[in-house]
Amino acid sequence: GENVEQHPSTLSVQEGDSAVIKCTYSDSASNYFPWYKQELGKRPQLIIDIRSNVGEKKDQRIAVTLNKTAKHFSLHITETQPEDSAVYFCAARSNAGNMLTFGGGTRLMVKP
Amino acid sequence: GAVVSQHPSWVICKSGTSVKIECRSLDFQATTMFWYRQFPKQSLMLMATSNEGSKATYEQGVEKDKFLINHASLTLSTLTVTSAHPEDSSFYICSASAAGGPDTQYFGPGTRLTVL
Repeated sequence: GENVEQHPSTLSVQEGDSAVIKCTYSDSASNYFPWYKQELGKRPQLIIDIRSNVGEKKDQRIAVTLNKTAKHFSLHITETQPEDSAVYFCAARSNAGNMLTFGGGTRLMVKP
Repeated sequence: GAVVSQHPSWVICKSGTSVKIECRSLDFQATTMFWYRQFPKQSLMLMATSNEGSKATYEQGVEKDKFLINHASLTLSTLTVTSAHPEDSSFYICSASAAGGPDTQYFGPGTRLTVL
């Protein structure tokens, strides 16, 4: 089955700096890669996603890049703000069953 | 749009009792719903995939007789934790994908289960 690794597990940045979170996946057939933001005790919220036919996608301060050959994808947050502080999860969906496999999560702390 | 609700949001029960958690898609039909368990400071672990009108597909290591899943309609799936024990205490989250829609999974707010 699919295996998703996520790094780093914790990330501390100064307000205004950029943050990058990286994930690798094992199943070359995976074709959908969402990123979720989860605040303490709350539901994961989809912040951006990318499909395997696209190499990069941007939405305001958030961007995701995908390298299918290397089987890794990254989340980029620019001009970080304290409200960006949360746990971020990457995920990969294989062709079979529409199920998502999640990375271990990254706790992002943005210091004001 | 694409709102998923869960009920209850939290529950405390005695060891040995059964607890039912409901997951509803409020404004869309979901042929597939997913049940996850999340322990503190850990990632979401898929427990089972619930398909409307058919038996759920359980992940390896998840006891289907302990975690009963019923997906009776396109807007409701239930997870029943039978004979709950303290080690079952966790945050249970469901998600749903819209029938005929995009790949996006929308998550419910989660149910925090504490078994005494």
